[in-house]
Amino acid sequence: NFMLTQPHSVSESPGKTVTISCTRSSGSIASNYVQWYQQRPGSAPTTVIYEDNQRPSGVPDRFSGSIDSSSNSASLTISGLKTEDEADYYCQSYDSSNPVVFGGGTKLTVL
Amino acid sequence: QVQLVESGGGVVQPGRSLRLSCAASGFTFSSYGMHWVRQAPGKGLEWVAVIWYDGSNKFYADSVKGRFTISRVNSKNTLYVQMNSLRAEDTAVYYCARDRGFYDTSGFQVGYSHDYWGQGTLVTVSS
Repeated sequence: NFMLTQPHSVSESPGKTVTISCTRSSGSIASNYVQWYQQRPGSAPTTVIYEDNQRPSGVPDRFSGSIDSSSNSASLTISGLKTEDEADYYCQSYDSSNPVVFGGGTKLTVL
Repeated sequence: QVQLVESGGGVVQPGRSLRLSCAASGFTFSSYGMHWVRQAPGKGLEWVAVIWYDGSNKFYADSVKGRFTISRVNSKNTLYVQMNSLRAEDTAVYYCARDRGFYDTSGFQVGYSHDYWGQGTLVTVSS
């Protein structure tokens, strides 16, 4: 089984840019799509990025996703931070033996 | 619009059973795989199980294999999970989620993700 490792927390000021990483422990990050979910306090998760870098309709273009094969990691970047972006963010991927694997989640504080 | 509404949560004693339901609307339920995902209090997301659009394949997390059974009734647009031999560590909010799948060139599903989620139902396993 592989794991996806995220930082426990990140913080940044409104208007700034923050990047959350998601490192895959084994197997290539590029072999299987990575998704990112946002979960605001008391709410269900919603998708902000799918298939590594695609945004669902309604998600602002301040959200972007990428993968880096050299570090075997995916990243979620949020630019022009707003207080409403304060939430937990989870990466997710899969492989032939593991249908769904979530990262441990990153708490984003916008202060 | 897509709606997923979970029900059936509550307080249950260890070792007992519970069945959760997820009522779907706003899309062709019989065309989509469906998942259960849970979240223990203050913890992260944990995938529980997935069922293919026609019920022909089901996969489970090791933590629930042999105790939980995922099922669906497409004529009722409803997803279920039967949870037996419940343990304290099964205490969580249980979400149903629609599958956004990934397929190889032959059309076989090779990956899973989630595009829409319900609001969840809380299961508390306690004596």
